[in-house]
Amino acid sequence: GENVEQHPSTLSVQEGDSAVIKCTYSDSASNYFPWYKQELGKRPQLIIDIRSNVGEKKDQRIAVTLNKTAKHFSLHITETQPEDSAVYFCAASWFTGGGNKLTFGTGTQLKVEL
Amino acid sequence: GAGVSQSPSNKVTEKGKDVELRCDPISGHTALYWYRQSLGQGLEFLIYFQGNSAPDKSGLPSDRFSAERTGGSVSTLTIQRTQQEDSAVYLCASSSPGGQVGEQFFGPGTRLTVL
Repeated sequence: GENVEQHPSTLSVQEGDSAVIKCTYSDSASNYFPWYKQELGKRPQLIIDIRSNVGEKKDQRIAVTLNKTAKHFSLHITETQPEDSAVYFCAASWFTGGGNKLTFGTGTQLKVEL
Repeated sequence: GAGVSQSPSNKVTEKGKDVELRCDPISGHTALYWYRQSLGQGLEFLIYFQGNSAPDKSGLPSDRFSAERTGGSVSTLTIQRTQQEDSAVYLCASSSPGGQVGEQFFGPGTRLTVL
């Protein structure tokens, strides 16, 4: 089955700096890679996703890159703000059109310091 | 519209007891998933329902765990003879092939504590 590794487990940045979180996956058949943000005590929420037919996707301060050959993908947050502080999870799946069970990484605790 | 809801929000039980956790997916979503999140850990896939197809049970950790989805909507996750290692937050999610393809919407979770 799929295995997703995520690094780093904790990340502390100064407000305004960039943050990068990296994930690798094992199953070359995986074609869907979402990123979820989970604030303390709350449910995970999708912030961005990418499919295997593109190499990069951007949404305002957030971007995701995918390298299918190396089987890794990364989340980039620019101009970080205190409200970006949360746990971020990457995930991978083989999306069949009907649904997709996700294999998650172990999460990155991001802390944005003033 | 209403999001995914789960009940109860918290459940404390004694070792050996059975528990039932409920999930109400977003109306019209055909896919429903259960995940488990242990303290400080990522989300672990448990089981997945898609329409009328047989569920994917490949993530269930033991035969003490089972789940049903009645009428293609509400789902119940049952844990029999609970053990302390079952303590975790159980998250339900749903998705629709007709919506933003692939996005899973999560419920608030049920925090299960086994004493």
